Amino acid sequence: ELKVEQNPLFLSMQEGKNYTIYCNYSTTSDRLYWYRQDPGKSLESLFVLLSNGAVKQEGRLMASLDTKARLSTLHITAAVHDLSATYFCAVDPGNYQLIWGAGTKLIIKP
Amino acid sequence: DAGITQSPRHKVTETGTPVTLRCHQTENHRYMYWYRQDPGHGLRLIHYSYGVKDTDKGEVSDGYSVSRSKTEDFLLTLESATSSQTSVYFCAIRRDGNNEQFFGPGTRLTVL
Repeated sequence: ELKVEQNPLFLSMQEGKNYTIYCNYSTTSDRLYWYRQDPGKSLESLFVLLSNGAVKQEGRLMASLDTKARLSTLHITAAVHDLSATYFCAVDPGNYQLIWGAGTKLIIKP
Repeated sequence: DAGITQSPRHKVTETGTPVTLRCHQTENHRYMYWYRQDPGHGLRLIHYSYGVKDTDKGEVSDGYSVSRSKTEDFLLTLESATSSQTSVYFCAIRRDGNNEQFFGPGTRLTVL
C-alpha cells in the first residue's frame, strides 16, 4: 500500500524559532508537492520538487527532496505568526493521482 | 489561480435528497478530481476524470457518481445524500508537465 506519513501532525511553536516538518513516503517517486491550507480555505500550492536533491525556498520556508531516503522536509526559519496553517505533502506515484499525507497543523504563537 | 470555480459554495440538504456539485475550469486541463476533506481523514479522492466522458473511481466512491460532458465541467452527484456525506468537497485540476494539482475554493455540504 502506498503511504505518505507526515510528522509531526501537530506543532505548536514560538515565533522566531526554527523547525522542520517531515514527509516520508513508501513508493518510488521523484515528484513531491507541498501545500498550505488556512482554516476554512482551500489548498494552495507551495513547492513542487521534481528530482532528487531538489531544494526550493520561498521566504522563511524551504523544502527539499531526498528520493533515495524517500523523504522530504519543510523547514521553517524564524517562524512568524502568519505561517500558522496546515501543511500537506503529496507524492506522485506515476499514475493519475497524488498520494496525500495527513497534514501537519502548525500553530505559531507570538 | 488556475481558473477553478465550484458551485454552490455552501449547501444544506436533507437525508435522502439528491445533490449535484459543479466544478468549472477555464484552462482546458484534461485531468479533474473530486476530493472530500474531513477532520481526521485528510484529503480523500472520490472520483477523477481524464477526459470528456472518461471517469474512474477513487478510494471513497461509494454513494457518489460523476459526469463530464464538457472539458470545462466536472459534476459530482450524491444520488441520495446521507449524513456521512457531510463534508467539504474540493475540486482540483492537474497541470500537464509537472502534475501539480490546483484546487477550487471548496463546497461545504451539510446533510441533516
